[in-house]
Amino acid sequence: DIQMTQSPSFLSASVGDRVTINCKASQNINKYLDWYQQKHGEAPKLLIYNTNNLQTGIPSRFSGSGSGTDYTLTISSLQPEDVATYFCLQHSSRPYTFGAGTKLELK
Amino acid sequence: QVQLQQSGAELVKPGTSVKLSCKASGYTFTSNHMNWIKQTTGQGLEWIGIINPGSGGTSYNVKFKGKATLTVDKSSSTAFMQLSSLTPEDSAVYYCASGARAYWGQGTLVTVSS
Repeated sequence: DIQMTQSPSFLSASVGDRVTINCKASQNINKYLDWYQQKHGEAPKLLIYNTNNLQTGIPSRFSGSGSGTDYTLTISSLQPEDVATYFCLQHSSRPYTFGAGTKLELK
Repeated sequence: QVQLQQSGAELVKPGTSVKLSCKASGYTFTSNHMNWIKQTTGQGLEWIGIINPGSGGTSYNVKFKGKATLTVDKSSSTAFMQLSSLTPEDSAVYYCASGARAYWGQGTLVTVSS
């Protein structure tokens, strides 16, 4: 199975800050990497698919980049409503595997 | 709009089975594979498997083979997941997700306890 190492586990930032979250795969996943946001008590919501494609309806302050084994989610200017846990998912090969999550809070 | 409506919370006894449902609406049911995902506080998110509603073909995470069985009823646009020989380690929130995982159900909480 492909292991996804996500960092950091916890992040505290201020409104307006640029925030980056990273996922490292144990092998090349050919950009088959999605990012999800999960708020307390809700289902995960797809933000970015296939590394850098913004899902419909997601604000443009969210972006993704990466290749090979290393991928990044960037929030260009943190907003209060972005407080959530963020997960990456590789769907390059089955079983699909998730990162352990990054809990983002406001400073 | 696409909606996935999952069945309600279950409290079940160890050693028994439970069958969860996920009713799809707002799109052609057979046009998108359906994923099932497990979420626990300790293990995070785990992909259980996927079913092609058109053909019934399935692919399972080896970890869940023998534990989970995925089926569909095309006539009602509903996907099902049966979990067998339940133990407390199966206590979790289970999600269905379709459309290349763009659409998720609200989740079903399964609690296994005597």
